[in-house]
Amino acid sequence: AQSVAQPEDQVNVAEGNPLTVKCTYSVSGNPYLFWYVQYPNRGLQFLLKYITGDNLVKGSYGFEAEFNKSQTSFHLKKPSALVSDSALYFCAVSPRGAGNNRKLIWGLGTSLAVNP
Amino acid sequence: GAGVSQSPSNKVTEKGKDVELRCDPISGHTALYWYRQSLGQGLEFLIYFQGNSAPDKSGLPSDRFSAERTGGSVSTLTIQRTQQEDSAVYLCASSFSSGTSRETQYFGPGTRLLVL
Repeated sequence: AQSVAQPEDQVNVAEGNPLTVKCTYSVSGNPYLFWYVQYPNRGLQFLLKYITGDNLVKGSYGFEAEFNKSQTSFHLKKPSALVSDSALYFCAVSPRGAGNNRKLIWGLGTSLAVNP
Repeated sequence: GAGVSQSPSNKVTEKGKDVELRCDPISGHTALYWYRQSLGQGLEFLIYFQGNSAPDKSGLPSDRFSAERTGGSVSTLTIQRTQQEDSAVYLCASSFSSGTSRETQYFGPGTRLLVL
């Protein structure tokens, strides 16, 4: 079965330190990869996506993610964390192919806490 | 421009009552999705509309759940005879649809449903 794993329920990091939120997937082919962020009591906001090309994707709020095909991973990173980055982060994967737009496969989310 | 809007933002109802949740997608987006997010869980796909095509209802958990999309724009998710396990945040998203799965989904703020 196709799946997305976010192995850490929670990540704690000090403000100013680099952060990584991990995502691995088990999806056939070369899927499209997405990261979303959810702030408390708000909907999900799109951060970035990988379609093709450069394995390092840059997105909103200084976040970036690195696609690693051999490890089937798409880890989210930021060089210097801010307290305001504290939120719930979701990785999602979409198999390629026409008609598959509805088939986003979601991870369970990782709660990021950035401590002042 | 305006994002995806949902109403109401919060809904408290009694077990056995029917509820209607509304979603107004981004103008020009032909694809619309409903998800359910339960506490501590990831996103559960419910239903997908694409233009005038028949909706993909494969995620609806029971026949108490139904959705329609009028005029290719506003959508209503209806839950009949609500049960306590229906308590969750219901998220709506919309996207352009190019016939591939690469399009970004943009989410509304959600409706928080509590069934007493």
